[in-house]
Amino acid sequence: DAGVIQSPRHEVTEMGQEVTLRCKPISGHNSLFWYRQTMMRGLELLIYFNNNVPIDDSGMPEDRFSAKMPNASFSTLKIQPSEPRDSAVYFCASSSAGWNTEAFFGQGTRLTVV
Amino acid sequence: KQEVTQIPAALSVPEGENLVLNCSFTDSAIYNLQWFRQDPGKGLTSLLLIQSSQREQTSGRLNASLDKSSGRSTLYIAASQPGDSATYLCAVESNSGYALNFGKGTSLLVTP
Repeated sequence: DAGVIQSPRHEVTEMGQEVTLRCKPISGHNSLFWYRQTMMRGLELLIYFNNNVPIDDSGMPEDRFSAKMPNASFSTLKIQPSEPRDSAVYFCASSSAGWNTEAFFGQGTRLTVV
Repeated sequence: KQEVTQIPAALSVPEGENLVLNCSFTDSAIYNLQWFRQDPGKGLTSLLLIQSSQREQTSGRLNASLDKSSGRSTLYIAASQPGDSATYLCAVESNSGYALNFGKGTSLLVTP
C-alpha cells in the first residue's frame, strides 16, 4: 500500500477563497482523522470519521470548516472562506480501528492563505 | 482534557551519544502511547507504540518505556547518528477518546 495520500502537498490561496484538501486513507482502515499543525498549538485533532461517519467534529474551529467522507477511500476537508489564520499544515491519518492501533499519517498539505 | 508535555523542546548532541527524550501526560487512563518522528516538511512516521499494559518497546536503537501510573514515557536513542536529527513527537490515546493527543515535540540535532 502507498500509505495515506494527501493532495495537494502545497496550497497558496487568497483570503476569501475556497480551499479543498483531499485524503486517501490506507485500504482497509476504517478510521480517519484530520489534524492541523501550527507552531503555536502543535498538532490538533479537527475531526474523526469511523466507517465513513463523522464521530467527533468538536475540533473543527468554526463553520467555515467542513469535512466529508463519501466512501471508505476518500475524504475532503474544505475551508470556505479561507482566512490567513488558517495557514497551517493539515494532516490526514488513518488506522484500522478507532483506538489502540497504530495511526499512519499522510505527508500533509501546507496551506498558506495570503 | 489530556495534556501531553515533552521536554526538552530542543536538544543538540554530538554523534555517538546516547540520549533520552521525555514525555509526560496528565491522565493515566490511556490505551496506548506512540512515539513519532517528523522530518522538516514531512509527515509523521510512527516509531513505537506501547500498549497500556506494556512497560516498554524496542526497535533497533530505539527503546521506549511507559510508566502509566506516573504519567511518563521516555524514548531512549542509543549511539545517535546525524540521520536521527528530526522532531520527535509523543502522542497518547486516552480511554475517554479515540484520537491522539500530541505533545509539541522535541527537536533533536545530532552533529557529526
